[in-house]
Amino acid sequence: GQSLEQPSEVTAVEGAIVQINCTYQTSGFYGLSWYQQHDGGAPTFLSYNALDGLEETGRFSSFLSRSDSYGYLLLQELQMKDSASYFCAVDNQGGKLIFGQGTELSVKP
Amino acid sequence: NAGVTQTPKFRILKIGQSMTLQCAQDMNHNYMYWYRQDPGMGLKLIYYSVGAGITDKGEVPNGYNVSRSTTEDFPLRLELAAPSQTSVYFCASRLESQAFFGQGTRLTVV
Repeated sequence: GQSLEQPSEVTAVEGAIVQINCTYQTSGFYGLSWYQQHDGGAPTFLSYNALDGLEETGRFSSFLSRSDSYGYLLLQELQMKDSASYFCAVDNQGGKLIFGQGTELSVKP
Repeated sequence: NAGVTQTPKFRILKIGQSMTLQCAQDMNHNYMYWYRQDPGMGLKLIYYSVGAGITDKGEVPNGYNVSRSTTEDFPLRLELAAPSQTSVYFCASRLESQAFFGQGTRLTVV
């Protein structure tokens, strides 16, 4: 089976940097992706890592270590609008896409 | 492009009733998914499809059925609704690394 672990809550202040970690167990791993969800709305795609290393997209970066079955999402220059839930998801063999439980990020002024 | 369209947006069912949640995408994506999300929880995979005519079970398939007769449509069928199926249901389609989600169907079973 597959399992993912991420912290349930993270709090940070506006302008700060925050890192949300994700560890996973799966067979046939293809890649790790990150999604953002505001207040129960539709999740939206943020980033994807298939290879080890850092992927940068504006204020957001995502990292993957396949040997450690570990990744993280890094959010820089936090803004109030970044308050949301963040999910990591494992993309594995056969097309299955499994999500973690989500991390609720609260950004304080 | 409309993206991924789910209907209805809201529905109240009585225990034992059946219904079909509709999902359509106009992006010609082969991969499609159904998830349920309970309050404060993550997305649980119910069923998925890698192309027309092919479906497979996800993490929580019991009480649900799907079909995929066309690339565009991926309906989810609930038979004999139970209170445990009260949830928000999201449909998604995927192109390579990126999944696109519909706005969700909020289902209450009473």
